[in-house]
Amino acid sequence: NAGVTQTPKFQVLKTGQSMTLQCAQDMNHEYMSWYRQDPGMGLRLIHYSVGAGITDQGEVPNGYNVSRSTTEDFPLRLLSAAPSQTSVYFCASSYRQVTSGNTIYFGEGSWLTVV
Amino acid sequence: LAKTTQPISMDSYEGQEVNITCSHNNIATNDYITWYQQFPSQGPRFIIQGYKTKVTNEVASLFIPADRKSSTLSLPRVSLSDTAVYYCLVGDKTGGFKTIFGAGTRLFVKA
Repeated sequence: NAGVTQTPKFQVLKTGQSMTLQCAQDMNHEYMSWYRQDPGMGLRLIHYSVGAGITDQGEVPNGYNVSRSTTEDFPLRLLSAAPSQTSVYFCASSYRQVTSGNTIYFGEGSWLTVV
Repeated sequence: LAKTTQPISMDSYEGQEVNITCSHNNIATNDYITWYQQFPSQGPRFIIQGYKTKVTNEVASLFIPADRKSSTLSLPRVSLSDTAVYYCLVGDKTGGFKTIFGAGTRLFVKA
């Protein structure tokens, strides 16, 4: 099983550039989300989706866009990169209902540096 | 989702038992309690989940008192490789779904 796959793993951007971080899951999970994690800090929720065609903002949505056209994919777009967006980005997915055994699965992370 | 409170950091020595307590005073009837572990440069991974009383797996135990307003993750005989950040999450995830992880507890295991 591939689980949650993120690409690219590493990226360097110049200030003002735009890019898309890709996330795909093969577990038929309804829920997908994006987090950022700055050095020594916890995870902060950027955007999330409870199903195809449905997205909503998390704690720190400014500067990012998302869309969910399919159940499998949940790309994160940086509109105009800023140095403050230098961080590690994690994509996650899970079933919508938390019942015994249903948990959140994370990708391996995408390291983004904005210079 | 129920707000959770956990210690920012803890230190331990190899071979000791470590207990990390999470407070969740406004836990709802349908909420589960789930703990995740995050190593440096990796995404969090599931450790254990419970609803009430005690749950044990090959990695840890989870103790939940009758009022469910707190829970304690117990790691038996920790090793250096247990150095990580541990997150406590509470919720049922139905309907609106906004999973906030917070800062977690940084456990540092010393030799």
